[in-house]
Amino acid sequence: EVQLVQSGAEVKKPGESLKISCKGSGYSFTNYWIAWVRQMPGKGLEWMGIISPGDSDTRYSPSFQGQVTISADKSISTAYLQWSSLKASDTAMYYCARLNWSFDYWGQGTLVTVSS
Amino acid sequence: SYELTQPPSVSVSPGQTARITCSRDALPKQYGYWYQQKPGQAPVLVIYKDSERPSGIPERFSGSSSGTTVTLTISGVQAEDEADYYCQSADSSGNYLFGGGTKLTVL
Repeated sequence: EVQLVQSGAEVKKPGESLKISCKGSGYSFTNYWIAWVRQMPGKGLEWMGIISPGDSDTRYSPSFQGQVTISADKSISTAYLQWSSLKASDTAMYYCARLNWSFDYWGQGTLVTVSS
Repeated sequence: SYELTQPPSVSVSPGQTARITCSRDALPKQYGYWYQQKPGQAPVLVIYKDSERPSGIPERFSGSSSGTTVTLTISGVQAEDEADYYCQSADSSGNYLFGGGTKLTVL
């Protein structure tokens, strides 16, 4: 069974750094790109970027380029999304998803709350 | 910039047919995909490559494409189909994007 399991909810202060994770199982992790998707409170889905876990080739949405860093560790079948300096506007649910033409499997989401 | 446009809301009575449209900019044509998201849950893929249905998705869900519009059709709508629905595609630069979402209300 394909599964993407994300790390737990985070509460951070503005200016702090954060790295959240997404662990894949039940399939060959290096054979599929992993995407990150943001959903701000009460809003729609926004594609942030994708990574190929096999070679760490990464592509970002123009809206998120320079704002976040996507990485992966294929040895532990885990992809990451990180911020170096959080803002209140980063408060959102973040999903990882497997890219197989479509986003066919999704993680359960990680809620990130940034508040002073 | 490339955009996908959906109606904000669609309302139908149980047993009726719901149609949710997604209009996209012109060529190059990319496939359309549809996701269902219920409150507090992650999205679920319900249609891929315009009209293909993943295993486990009920037959009442179907998709079609005509010109620059893709359509999600739910035949014989049930109360459990009440959710937000998002279309998704890609542009020629390899950027993925989602429509703004449509809230389906079952009256």
